[in-house]
Amino acid sequence: GENVEQHPSTLSVQEGDSAVIKCTYSDSASNYFPWYKQELGKRPQLIIDIRSNVGEKKDQRIAVTLNKTAKHFSLHITETQPEDSAVYFCAASQGTGGGADGLTFGKGTHLIIQP
Amino acid sequence: DVKVTQSSRYLVKRTGEKVFLECVQDMDHENMFWYRQDPGLGLRLIYFSYDVKMKEKGDIPEGYSVSREKKERFSLILESASTNQTSMYLCASTRTGGLGQPQHFGDGTRLSIL
Repeated sequence: GENVEQHPSTLSVQEGDSAVIKCTYSDSASNYFPWYKQELGKRPQLIIDIRSNVGEKKDQRIAVTLNKTAKHFSLHITETQPEDSAVYFCAASQGTGGGADGLTFGKGTHLIIQP
Repeated sequence: DVKVTQSSRYLVKRTGEKVFLECVQDMDHENMFWYRQDPGLGLRLIYFSYDVKMKEKGDIPEGYSVSREKKERFSLILESASTNQTSMYLCASTRTGGLGQPQHFGDGTRLSIL
């Protein structure tokens, strides 16, 4: 089955700096890579996702890059703000089930934004 | 906006009890999922369902079963609860569509088995 590794487990950055979280996956058949943000005591919320037919996707301060050859993908957050503090999860699935695919998650990164 | 509702935020049960966790979604989604979340382990897939009465095992199905009698409702059943099933349980749903569909999560049920 799929295995997703996520690094680092904790990331502390100064407010206004950039943050990068990296994930690798094992199953070359994976095609769908979402990122979730989970604030303390709340549900995971999808913040951005990428499919294997593109290499990069951007939404305001958030971007995701995908390297299918190397089987890794990364989340980039620029101009970090205090409200970016949360746990971030990457995930992967084959995505070919038209929605009927369970996600395999990384173990999470606790992002701390220092004022 | 998608609404995934889990019946309980907190639940305390005893070892050996049969436990039911309920999840309802209001967007007519075909696919529903159950995950458990443990500190340092991320989210792990227990079971999922792509249609009424259909179910598929995820990565950690042992000790669990599921029921999907109606499209909007997906139940997770702990046949005989054990202390190692103390965890946060999250339900999610997606519609059927093209390559990769976003999963929408409920608020979770924090289950403690004593």
